[in-house]
Amino acid sequence: DGGITQSPKYLFRKEGQNVTLSCEQNLNHDAMYWYRQDPGQGLRLIYYSQIVNDFQKGDIAEGYSVSREKKESFPLTVTSAQKNPTAFYLCASSPLAGNSGEQYFGPGTRLTVT
Amino acid sequence: EDKVVQSPLSLVVHEGDTVTLNCSYEVTNFRSLLWYKQEKKAPTFLFMLTSSGIEKKSGRLSSILDKKELFSILNITATQTGDSAVYLCAGGTSYGKLTFGQGTILTVHP
Repeated sequence: DGGITQSPKYLFRKEGQNVTLSCEQNLNHDAMYWYRQDPGQGLRLIYYSQIVNDFQKGDIAEGYSVSREKKESFPLTVTSAQKNPTAFYLCASSPLAGNSGEQYFGPGTRLTVT
Repeated sequence: EDKVVQSPLSLVVHEGDTVTLNCSYEVTNFRSLLWYKQEKKAPTFLFMLTSSGIEKKSGRLSSILDKKELFSILNITATQTGDSAVYLCAGGTSYGKLTFGQGTILTVHP
């Protein structure tokens, strides 16, 4: 089955710990994206990558880091520097880099930091 | 800074009603306007609009873009309880970035 997988579905961490969220796609898409969604708000772009070994900051990159060592994988690390990390995190991919077309979303990871 | 604003923020209707959701945008290097439906987890794609004045339809849903007024609407006719969801619109740039609005929460009562 083709698609985007994110793991885990729910994640709990103590304040001060870094945590890495997984995102894998087998759609052979070039571009991948990370968004954050808070209650009552839309999606805000954290980082995006259009090709392997390259990525750009989105609107709210502070306190986050990413890597893109393989086309299929785009993990997001939420560092202890992120002041308010509790949120719903969505990963997405799209077929063509630089093409503002449809993005396909994973099921999301709900992160709770206490 | 790119900005997308949706209205209303929430809407409660009864089955059979027709609803219109609004989306205005200010996006530098604008290329496309996209609509998504989010029921519980992942948003699912509805429409992508790139040209002004051309309506796109899918069943009871339709959408149109006005690039002069920087505006799009999403219409849903004969609403059903299964239409209850958050509807998101997003402005896309020529370099692949989407800026999302805050979403409209639609609740359809039987």
